[in-house]
Parts: sequence; structure tokens; C-alpha cells
Amino acid sequence: GQQVMQIPQYQHVQEGEDFTTYCNSSTTLSNIQWYKQRPGGHPVFLIQLVKSGEVKKQKRLTFQFGEAKKNSSLHITATQTTDVGTYFCAGQEKTTDSWGKLQFGAGTQVVVTP
Amino acid sequence: GAGVSQSPRYKVTKRGQDVALRCDPISGHVSLYWYRQALGQGPEFLTYFNYEAQQDKSGLPNDRFSAERPEGSISTLTIQRTEQRDSAMYRCASSYRGTDSPLHFGNGTRLTVT
Repeated sequence: GQQVMQIPQYQHVQEGEDFTTYCNSSTTLSNIQWYKQRPGGHPVFLIQLVKSGEVKKQKRLTFQFGEAKKNSSLHITATQTTDVGTYFCAGQEKTTDSWGKLQFGAGTQVVVTP
Repeated sequence: GAGVSQSPRYKVTKRGQDVALRCDPISGHVSLYWYRQALGQGPEFLTYFNYEAQQDKSGLPNDRFSAERPEGSISTLTIQRTEQRDSAMYRCASSYRGTDSPLHFGNGTRLTVT
């Protein structure tokens, strides 16, 4: 079945530095979503990518969907303490049914050092 | 407006007892999802509904787990004859229309089986 993998599992970042987290699927995806979960909180939607090669930006966050629609990345520039949390990617396997289930990766836990 | 509401917030039960976890989705949301999240892990898909129809229950671990959404709104996840390995955070999410739209998560039910 479909598997979604994220690397790295942990990311320690100095405040002000940049970093990237990666998401890879074992199958072609129809779309991919990214969520952020603060410590003690629940996952909160950040963005959805649908098109091959799509790039979207939200302030200091840049999201990219791979050309083959099997991988994605999240790049954060000038990390701030507010970026602390776990970032999950979640993909829907490309099937004839566009209302399929969303499979989450294990997440990248981000710790920011002031 | 109101978000996804889950109850109870915490549930402690003895091994062998049945538990029922409730989810009240955002009004008007067609799709409802149940996930289970272990500490430090991503949400693990259990089952999902479109309206009252259970579309996919492939993630339910075994036949002790069942879910229903009889009127296409509130959903109940039932675990019979609970075991210690069932201890986890159970999260419900709803979306306006399948995975074409963002999932909105509730605060979850923390289940502890003693």
C-alpha cells in the first residue's frame, strides 16, 4: 500500500538559519498537503499542492511538489522560534476516486535554538 | 465558527471495557476522518466517511474497532474489549469535500487503557 516518508525526523535549527524537510511517496499522488502541529496541539493545515512541479510560498515558507508527483519539500528561511513544531506532509494516492484517504508521514520535528 | 468537537477529551478505561468516542464535525462538511496518533508519530488513518457512507475502513486495526455516522453528521468510533495497545490519541477531522479541501482536526480524545 501507499507509504509516505519524511526526512529528517528531527531538525535542530539556529534562529535565523534556513532548513528544508522532504517528503517522499511510494506511489504517485493526486495532491499533497502540509500540516503543522505545535507541541500539545492538533495538526493545522498549511497548504495544498496539486500540479506537477508546483511551487507555493507563504511568507518564509516555500512548498514544492515534484515533477513526478511523488515527492515534496518545505523550505523555511530565516527560522524563528514561532516555527517550532512538527511538520507533516500528507498525500492522497492517485486513483480514479478523487475522494480518497489522506496518508500522513511521520513528520519532521523542528526545534529552534535562539 | 465552531471547529471540530471531540468528546470526551480524556478517557481512562480498564482493559476489556468498551469505549465510544464522539466526533462532531464542522457544519456542512461532507467528509469525516478518524485517525490515531501515537506520541511522536504522524496521524495513522483509520477510516473515513462521505456523508453517512463509510468509504474506506482499511485502517481499522481489527474487528474490535468500528465507526458509524448514521445521519451524515456526528460520528462515533467504538472500540470493543479494549486492550492496552489501544492507548493513543484518537483524532477526528472533517473537510468540506474529501481531500480536495483541507482537513480540520479536533483536539482529539486521549484514550488510556489500564
